[in-house]
Amino acid sequence: NAGVTQTPKFQVLKTGQSMTLQCAQDMNHNSMYWYRQDPGMGLRLIYYSASEGTTDKGEVPNGYNVSRLNKREFSLRLESAAPSQTSVYFCASSQGAVSGYTFGSGTRLTVV
Amino acid sequence: GQQLNQSPQSMFIQEGEDVSMNCTSSSIFNTWLWYKQDPGEGPVLLIALYKAGELTSNGRLTAQFGITRKDSFLNISASIPSDVGIYFCAGQPFNDYKLSFGAGTTVTVRA
Repeated sequence: NAGVTQTPKFQVLKTGQSMTLQCAQDMNHNSMYWYRQDPGMGLRLIYYSASEGTTDKGEVPNGYNVSRLNKREFSLRLESAAPSQTSVYFCASSQGAVSGYTFGSGTRLTVV
Repeated sequence: GQQLNQSPQSMFIQEGEDVSMNCTSSSIFNTWLWYKQDPGEGPVLLIALYKAGELTSNGRLTAQFGITRKDSFLNISASIPSDVGIYFCAGQPFNDYKLSFGAGTTVTVRA
């Protein structure tokens, strides 16, 4: 049982390049989330998907887009990467907040 | 999301010591959770609290849901080297299923 799988684990982009971060969960969870983690700022919500077919903006959505491809998969796209998007990105899923979130192991992105 | 104030921001502790960290909010929460993040990994759920005043243990960890619903604390007893990491508090409001996270407490243990 893999839980939440994120790919890639590491990525270096040049300013202006685009890329998609992939996330898949095998726990049949309804809700999925994308967070970014920056030193001293904790986890900030970028986008979330309450259920298959729905997506909503979180706290810091600018510069990102998402796709809930099916119940298992939730991808995050950077259309034109900027150095301010250098961060560690975490995908998470839940069946409801009372059960807590299950996080992936993260994608470490550097934009130069 | 709601602002959670987590303190201390970081701590250096001696192996064997007991340590405490806490989280406060200006808003009330339905649920409080505590997560630990090991270096290079994602956060993992340690303890979940569902009732005001609830005290819950998980091995050497003890957490409490504040009676006002606006705070929670986590204690680690008899620290060991593997306690190194970042500890996050998280709260779930009554009217939302999404969690708000604190900024984290970084724990470093001196052997």
